[in-house]
Amino acid sequence: DQQVKQNSPSLSVQEGRISILNCDYTNSMFDYFLWYKKYPAEGPTFLISISSIKDKNEDGRFTVFLNKSAKHLSLHIVPSQPGDSAVYFCAASEASGTYKYIFGTGTRLKVLA
Amino acid sequence: SAVISQKPSRDICQRGTSLTIQCQVDSQVTMMFWYRQQPGQSLTLIATANQGSEATYESGFVIDKFPISRPNLTFSTLTVSNMSPEDSSIYLCSVVGLGGGGETQYFGPGTRLLVL
Repeated sequence: DQQVKQNSPSLSVQEGRISILNCDYTNSMFDYFLWYKKYPAEGPTFLISISSIKDKNEDGRFTVFLNKSAKHLSLHIVPSQPGDSAVYFCAASEASGTYKYIFGTGTRLKVLA
Repeated sequence: SAVISQKPSRDICQRGTSLTIQCQVDSQVTMMFWYRQQPGQSLTLIATANQGSEATYESGFVIDKFPISRPNLTFSTLTVSNMSPEDSSIYLCSVVGLGGGGETQYFGPGTRLLVL
């Protein structure tokens, strides 16, 4: 049973436009969520996180939105740049600090120049 | 940030054999983990590597199949024993270290394993 789902395996966006990556989860005990970015032949790198007490967290061009009632989070990248082309994983855990994350299967983002 | 290296970066192995993957970190870290990513699947936590004691395995993973060592705070090994084609995966070492915003989890580049 996949507790964290990324239903879009891939996404293409024009440079300068907004990229929206979506993630759904089923476990209502999850209260800490993260996004990781992965380039080929490299390990995932941490991008941004959000705890359940917030519904939005911003870091530069990256914003994560959390809708707890819908068990849905999204990552917005504005404006998108070609260097953002990578695989993006969302992850969730029942508490920050445990580092026992459940990962989604990833969405491959391609930003077209 | 923590810099993690893994050896080998990739390997092709015959079924029934074993492979040991090494993970080296450039600084002392408190927590180290081993993950697996099977083709088309998400990253799955195998175990937490505990320094000086037995690893803590997640449901579905056992020590006989994935023995783990962690002799010090910068090094760990994962052995994939008696391999079958189903073990073909990317295996990733992960650590918790101090980043710009506090504790952050870092991942190594992964070891790509193909079992024939």
